[in-house]
Amino acid sequence: EAGVTQFPSHSVIEKGQTVTLRCDPISGHDNLYWYRRVMGKEIKFLLHFVKESKQDESGMPNNRFLAERTGGTYSTLKVQPAELEDSGVYFCASSGYRNEKLFFGSGTQLSVL
Amino acid sequence: DAKTTQPPSMDCAEGRAANLPCNHSTISGNEYVYWYRQIHSQGPQYIIHGLKNNETNEMASLIITEDRKSSTLILPHATLRDTAVYYCIVSYTNAGKSTFGDGTTLTVKP
Repeated sequence: EAGVTQFPSHSVIEKGQTVTLRCDPISGHDNLYWYRRVMGKEIKFLLHFVKESKQDESGMPNNRFLAERTGGTYSTLKVQPAELEDSGVYFCASSGYRNEKLFFGSGTQLSVL
Repeated sequence: DAKTTQPPSMDCAEGRAANLPCNHSTISGNEYVYWYRQIHSQGPQYIIHGLKNNETNEMASLIITEDRKSSTLILPHATLRDTAVYYCIVSYTNAGKSTFGDGTTLTVKP
């Protein structure tokens, strides 16, 4: 069974540009979560999808961030325009119908220069 | 979610048991104790969780005190590959909406 996969593994962009991160959850997992760790700090929750619906987006830092999950399969997280403080590691996780445990991807290292 | 307190770092000899403590004195009656770990720069990995009773799986054992104010994660035979940051999280669900705090950095030494 394939795990949670994230693309790209690394992204280097300039301030003001747009970046789109992708997460493919484990097949059949309805719950999908996004997190980030910035400035070497804690891993913080960004938002939660149940299928294609945003169940909780209380952790989204501002309106420069847009997450989508069309069709309830893979998800994208777009940052537009990117700022220096957005640099960090973005993780995605998914869980199944019992929602008991999370399966994480390896993350996307985003560097905004 | 209730707050947790963990020691910042611990060492363990290879082959010995690693006992990682976690205090969660404000835990609510229906909050679970979850443990995850992060090896180097990988994504966090689920280890185990429990509500009241002690739990064991192929990775570890979880001992929760009777008053549920603290718990201990036990890796029975630590290997070098167990070197990681271990996170203790108290949550009503799967810790999906939690902040992964500083955790305990466990270093397993030969």
